[in-house]
Amino acid sequence: AQSVSQHNHHVILSEAASLELGCNYSYGGTVNLFWYVQYPGQHLQLLLKYFSGDPLVKGIKGFEAEFIKSKFSFNLRKPSVQWSDTAEYFCAVNVGSNDYKLSFGAGTTVTVRA
Amino acid sequence: DAGVTQSPTHLIKTRGQQVTLRCSPKSGHDTVSWYQQALGQGPQFIFQYYEEEERQRGNFPDRFSGHQFPNYSSELNVNALLLGDSALYLCASSPSGRGYTFGSGTRLTVV
Repeated sequence: AQSVSQHNHHVILSEAASLELGCNYSYGGTVNLFWYVQYPGQHLQLLLKYFSGDPLVKGIKGFEAEFIKSKFSFNLRKPSVQWSDTAEYFCAVNVGSNDYKLSFGAGTTVTVRA
Repeated sequence: DAGVTQSPTHLIKTRGQQVTLRCSPKSGHDTVSWYQQALGQGPQFIFQYYEEEERQRGNFPDRFSGHQFPNYSSELNVNALLLGDSALYLCASSPSGRGYTFGSGTRLTVV
């Protein structure tokens, strides 16, 4: 069965610390990869996406992610977090050209302490 | 503003009842997908509508059905509600199936 795994359920860190959230998927073919963020009380927002090309993808708000095909991973990074980055982060995968659904991981709650 | 509008925002229903949730996609988007997000979990794909037809369906029972109208708006219907149907229901729209924009969701509570 297809699956998306997010390594951490809850991450707590201080402002200015670096953030890395892990995401692994179990599909062997062509994939499209996404990171979404859900701020408290708000809708899911797209942070970044990877379809093809440069495996290092830059998104909004200083986030970036690296696609490593050999490791089936798409980890999210931010060099220096702010209190406003407190949110829930979801990794999602879309498989191939005839699959339209997004398969989401369980999410990682990130709490940034001021 | 997400651009995708869902109504109502909250709803309380009794077991066995039926419910209809509504979604207006972002302007320029012709595809609507529905997701169920249980507490503490990631969204689970229910189905996607394109050109007024169900194009793809997730692992949900037939109690879950939908419809897409000529203006691309969509409805999600759930019959014979169970306590386990309590969740946040998300609508996502996209231009022809890629690059999804999510709405804020409808919180359904079944009692």
